[in-house]
Parts: sequence; structure tokens; C-alpha cells
Amino acid sequence: SQKIEQNSEALNIQEGKTATLTCNYTNYSPAYLQWYRQDPGRGPVFLLLIRENEKEKRKERLKVTFDTTLKQSLFHITASQPADSATYLCALQANSGYALNFGKGTSLLVTP
Amino acid sequence: DAGVIQSPRHEVTEMGQEVTLRCKPISGHNSLFWYRQTMMRGLELLIYFNNNVPIDDSGMPEDRFSAKMPNASFSTLKIQPSEPRDSAVYFCASSLRVGVGNSPLHFGNGTRLTVT
Repeated sequence: SQKIEQNSEALNIQEGKTATLTCNYTNYSPAYLQWYRQDPGRGPVFLLLIRENEKEKRKERLKVTFDTTLKQSLFHITASQPADSATYLCALQANSGYALNFGKGTSLLVTP
Repeated sequence: DAGVIQSPRHEVTEMGQEVTLRCKPISGHNSLFWYRQTMMRGLELLIYFNNNVPIDDSGMPEDRFSAKMPNASFSTLKIQPSEPRDSAVYFCASSLRVGVGNSPLHFGNGTRLTVT
């Protein structure tokens, strides 16, 4: 069966450090991978999309890598700030259709 | 752009009652999705529509759940009769085009449903 796995343990880091979140998947052959941010009581918000032929993509302090051999994506936030505290979800298009399947997300807490 | 609008934000109802959740997608978006989120199972896709037509409802848990999209600007998700295990946050999302792998989803802020 298809699986998207993200670390269920919360990640606590100090302000200014780089946060790295991991997304592993099985039984997918994704052409794209997406990352979302979710704050409490709100819907997920799209952050970045990376294509299978892109090894790395950057947007301001965010960087995403995509390794289709390892079946893994890494999501980095550099110079982290308390405002970056949220849950981060990765998502892949299901092989069987057009919808997106989501991992359960990793909670990030950035402390001053 | 008002984004995806869902109503109500919170719904508390008794077991056996009918519940109707509403969604207004972003104007011009062709695809609409209903998801359910719980701590245990995360975000689960229930059903999605393309150009107002249901494409895949295999995620709908039981016949008690039904969804409609009578026009491009409105969709409903109905649960009848509701049960305590239906308690969750229900999200509606829309996308500009089919093939969402390369098209971001825009989510509403959800309806938190509590069935007692």
C-alpha cells in the first residue's frame, strides 16, 4: 500500500538554527511533491512544489530536496523564527488518480 | 480573493442527526476536494469533483456520507445519520486544474464537527 511517513515526534529547535523535516514515501512514483504548513485551527497552506527532475528548490528561507532514489524529501527552514512554529505536511499525487495524499505532518516548535 | 470559504466553523450535534457542511471554492478553480482530519489518521481524502462532476468517492467511509456540487461555486457534504466516530475536522479545498500533483490545493479553514 502507499505510505507517506513523516516524523511524528515534534521537532524543537532554537531560534536562528536550521530546522530539517523529513518525508519518506513508499509505493509512489511521484512526478511532484508538495509541502504545506498548517497552523492550529486553520487549513493547510501551500508552501513549495518540487518536480522529480529538480533535486532542490528554494524560496526565501525555505529549501526542499527531492531524492527519488531514496524516496525521500527534506524540508529545511534556515534562520528559523518562532513564527515558523507550525505543523508541516508533505503531499504526493496518488498513483491511482488526481488527488493529493498527505503525510500526518511534523510539528515544529521554534523557541526564542 | 476571499479564498475557500467553509461553513459552519463549528458544529455540535447529537448522534443520529443530519449534518450538512458547506463550501465555496475559489472562483475559476475546476477541482474541489473534501478531506477529513483526525489525530489518528491525519488528512484523508473523502471525495473530489472536477468541473462539478464527482470523479472519485472511494474515500467516503459509508453510505451515510454524501456530497454534491450543484454548480461551480458551491458544494455540500452531508452526513445522515451522524455518529460519534464522525467527529473530526472537515476541510474543503480547491485547485485550479486537474492533475493536482503540479497544482497547489487551497484549503478552507475547516468545519470542526463534534457528534455527541
